[in-house]
Amino acid sequence: RKEVEQDPGPFNVPEGATVAFNCTYSNSASQSFFWYRQDCRKEPKLLMSVYSSGNEDGRFTAQLNRASQYISLLIRDSKLSDSATYLCAVSAPGGSYIPTFGRGTSLIVHP
Amino acid sequence: DGGITQSPKYLFRKEGQNVTLSCEQNLNHDAMYWYRQDPGQGLRLIYYSQIVNDFQKGDIAEGYSVSREKKESFPLTVTSAQKNPTAFYLCASSSRTATNTEAFFGQGTRLTVV
Repeated sequence: RKEVEQDPGPFNVPEGATVAFNCTYSNSASQSFFWYRQDCRKEPKLLMSVYSSGNEDGRFTAQLNRASQYISLLIRDSKLSDSATYLCAVSAPGGSYIPTFGRGTSLIVHP
Repeated sequence: DGGITQSPKYLFRKEGQNVTLSCEQNLNHDAMYWYRQDPGQGLRLIYYSQIVNDFQKGDIAEGYSVSREKKESFPLTVTSAQKNPTAFYLCASSSRTATNTEAFFGQGTRLTVV
């Protein structure tokens, strides 16, 4: 079983739709969780950290479910500019906090 | 501006050549990482360093070498022993405190074997 798993998609949604991605992790000792956005042929950029209480940044909401070992990203009112690959990252103290990435979920927002 | 700088952006390597990818950061981060990304794939860890003069192999270290002589610099050499080096190489750094472990990336180097 891979340490961090994501559905590669693509998720094909119309503008204005709400879309959600999940990311499961296998290491129950994981403590740090992040969502990154990666545009085609560019580097990943930090979108948001995921806190135990969940967090929201505008149209984006991230949540953590420790019991089921997954994190989620919800995007409301999708924009064309949201089209990208979304990578989740997980790190654990036992792993020296080295970020382990999922393979990413591709989102395509169409008019 | 603080950040991570990778160079070159594009690199072409002939068969049998060693090439070195540069990575410099001015974020005062202790930890630095090298990842490899193949088309449609996630990031795979090549090497990492948590402190100057120390580094550890990641999941796919064969055919690669690194050094960490300065806190700011973590160059990666792709040796001729790496049989399939064509990929997108990403350098990252993090402060690696318990509450601040997010990684920040350079713009990447796209390596092609010709």
